[in-house]
Amino acid sequence: NAGVTQTPKFQVLKTGQSMTLQCAQDMNHEYMSWYRQDPGMGLRLIHYSVGAGITDQGEVPNGYNVSRSTTEDFPLRLLSAAPSQTSVYFCASSYRDGYEQYFGPGTRLTVT
Amino acid sequence: GENVEQHPSTLSVQEGDSAVIKCTYSDSASNYFPWYKQELGKRPQLIIDIRSNVGEKKDQRIAVTLNKTAKHFSLHITETQPEDSAVYFCAASGGNAGNMLTFGGGTRLMVKP
Repeated sequence: NAGVTQTPKFQVLKTGQSMTLQCAQDMNHEYMSWYRQDPGMGLRLIHYSVGAGITDQGEVPNGYNVSRSTTEDFPLRLLSAAPSQTSVYFCASSYRDGYEQYFGPGTRLTVT
Repeated sequence: GENVEQHPSTLSVQEGDSAVIKCTYSDSASNYFPWYKQELGKRPQLIIDIRSNVGEKKDQRIAVTLNKTAKHFSLHITETQPEDSAVYFCAASGGNAGNMLTFGGGTRLMVKP
């Protein structure tokens, strides 16, 4: 099993550009989520999904969109990048709530 | 929603000493409390977790205790080794925030040889 994979690993955007961060898991997990991690800080939940076709907002959803058309994939879209979105983004999946979350390797995003 | 506070933010110990990291949570309905270790430039990885029906859990040199009445839980690492140096995050879930994890701010543990 590859576990949770994320692409790209690094990305530089200019202010106002849009892009999609990809996340996929091959463990047949129902729960998937996106976090951002800023320097010296913990992980903050952006959006999450409890199954295909179901998404909801987390703590810091503004400026991001998600969709979950399949169990395996959970892309995160930045609509109009801003310097405040410079961060490391982690995707995670779990069998369900109350079970171990498996994290992807992260995407380091810089917005200039 | 849930709020998780973690202390201390940095902790320096001598190799072989014990380290204790404490977290408090606000939502009394939370019932799952994992601890993650994150090495520099790596992804967070689960090291131990505890559920609300258990007061203590051990795994070799690592233990977690939970006090539901006081709404706090702690990570204990005994006989620390240099490879224990990392950032540790506590988290809580199962309350009213969609059952998703809310993380503490992290503790940077440095084990000096």
